[in-house]
Amino acid sequence: EVQLVESGGGLVQPGGSLRLSCAPSGFMFSNYAMTWVRQAPGKGLEWVSAISGNGANTYYADSVKGRFTVSRDNSKNTLYLQMSSLRAEDSAVYYCAKVITADSLDMAFDIWGQGTMVTVSS
Amino acid sequence: ESVLTQSPATLSLSPGERATLSCRASQSVSSYLAWYQQKPGQAPRLLIYDASNRATGVPARFSGSGSGTDFTLTISSLEPEDFAVYYCQQRLNWPPLTFGGGTKVEIK
Repeated sequence: EVQLVESGGGLVQPGGSLRLSCAPSGFMFSNYAMTWVRQAPGKGLEWVSAISGNGANTYYADSVKGRFTVSRDNSKNTLYLQMSSLRAEDSAVYYCAKVITADSLDMAFDIWGQGTMVTVSS
Repeated sequence: ESVLTQSPATLSLSPGERATLSCRASQSVSSYLAWYQQKPGQAPRLLIYDASNRATGVPARFSGSGSGTDFTLTISSLEPEDFAVYYCQQRLNWPPLTFGGGTKVEIK
């Protein structure tokens, strides 16, 4: 079964850091670009970041640029989102998702994780 | 940035009725538009990609159309499990990837 499982969410103080992980299964992880999308409570979807299959290319929303870093370790089959200088407005459920087409940056996402909640509060 | 505007915000319909959801882009996104369904407490689910292609396992009652700036998601006959929030997303003009604000399809 093709699956993504996020972990690493939790409660963090403003200005703090957190690292999210996303563990894939059921597909050749290194062949697929991946993305992070977040959703604040009761709000819509917001794209956060994306990374190519080999990790060479990364992309960010302006709202997180300079504070968040996306990376992947294809040897460990894991996607990461390192978040620093966290703000209250970063509080959301964070989803990882895979693109629909291998070896592409065709950013439509066919498999999503269940999400991990990040709460930034003192 | 391509802004996506979805309408209506809420659609109140009965099971068996036809649902027509709209997504309008602030600039052309060609056919690079996807539709997702999200139910409470769940992750989004891809329904349609590249404007009109159904994703794997999506029932035929879901169809997408449009190109350029105007797109439509149609559910031909609503089933009880179709009541959810629907989002459009463009992938032509990125970064940033952008989503619409969503349309909630609720039971009338």
